[in-house]
Order: sequence, then structure tokens, then C-alpha cells
Amino acid sequence: QKEVEQNSGPLSVPEGAIASLNCTYSDRGSQSFFWYRQYSGKSPELIMSIYSNGDKEDGRFTAQLNKASQYVSLLIRDSQPSDSATYLCAEAKRNTGNQFYFGTGTSLTVIP
Amino acid sequence: NAGVTQTPKFQVLKTGQSMTLQCAQDMNHNSMYWYRQDPGMGLRLIYYSASEGTTDKGEVPNGYNVSRLNKREFSLRLESAAPSQTSVYFCASSRLSNTGELFFGEGSRLTVL
Repeated sequence: QKEVEQNSGPLSVPEGAIASLNCTYSDRGSQSFFWYRQYSGKSPELIMSIYSNGDKEDGRFTAQLNKASQYVSLLIRDSQPSDSATYLCAEAKRNTGNQFYFGTGTSLTVIP
Repeated sequence: NAGVTQTPKFQVLKTGQSMTLQCAQDMNHNSMYWYRQDPGMGLRLIYYSASEGTTDKGEVPNGYNVSRLNKREFSLRLESAAPSQTSVYFCASSRLSNTGELFFGEGSRLTVL
């Protein structure tokens, strides 16, 4: 079983809609979670990090963490064509140093 | 602001050849990582180095070796390349803290024929 599971999509939403991306993780002790965006042919870039239960908002992005359900999500409000990319969920394990494990990614297309 | 620099960006090898991917970061980060990315597989951790002088295996270490040369540099070596190692390789670094995020290099596309 992978450490982090994502619905791989692809996900298509119309411009202006809300895109919802989901991720589950297997280690109940994990503390830190991240959402990365990756455009085709580019390297991943961090868009959100979340460390405690609840919601964290940054502009059009909201990350949600539910440790009881071992569930992390990312909502993108007012989706734009420029949001079309693959979104990667990651968790950090704090053993010897930080080990970061990624899901397989969800491909999002925002249709103008 | 170089961040994480990887070389080479592209490489074609024949089966059995060896090569080293180089990575350097200028952010004074303690931890460095090598990932591979294959279609439908996401990013898979090959090896990581929590701090200078230490290295540990990740999810898919077979066929690879690493060297943490100093705090800045972390290299990945393929001793005898196989077609299954055709992939895009990313080097990354992070601070050693509970809130450290990963910063990625631009990636190295390796093809093994």
C-alpha cells in the first residue's frame, strides 16, 4: 500500500468552478502535508502546506486536513485555465530527517 | 537565486553504461533527496540524505547509489543502467524542521536504450 493515495482523475471543471482534489494517507502519525502543482514538463512547486486539523486558506486555495479520517484535500475556487496542471499530495515523515512521500497526482483541466 | 541545480538535463545511455547525476543547492539546506517520476507513478523516493554524512534508502533504491559530497552536493549514480531506469529524475532539498518544504531542481530526463 502506498503511503499516500490520490484519485488520479483526470478531473475537468469549467472556468470559475470549484475544483476539489483529495488524498488519503496511511500513517496515522504523519504530521505534515503538502500540495504541489506540476505543469507539464516542469518541476513540482509548493502551493499549500498544512500541519493541523481544519482548513487553511491562501487566496483561491484552501487545504483541509482531517487527521481522524487520514484525509487531506485541496479546493481551488474560481478555477482558471492557468490552474490546469497535475496536483501532487505529499506527506512528510519525521524519522531520521524528513522523508517526503508523494501520491500519484491528479490531473486537472480547467475548461474556458 | 539558483536554488537547486541538476546536471545534466538530458542524457541517453545504452544498457550497462554508468553515469552520475549531479545536484547542488545553495539554500544551506540540511536534507537532500533524489526522486524519479514515471507516468502514472507520481514521485518515488530513491535515496535521501537527512544531513551531511548520512544517506538512507527510500522506496526504490535498487540499481542506484548516492554520495553526499558535502552540505551542498548530493549525487546519484547508476552503475549499470537498465531500460527500467528510463525516467525523469528530480533532486530536491529541504530544511531539517517540522515545517520544511521541498524545493525541486528542474529535473533530468534519462533514457536508457
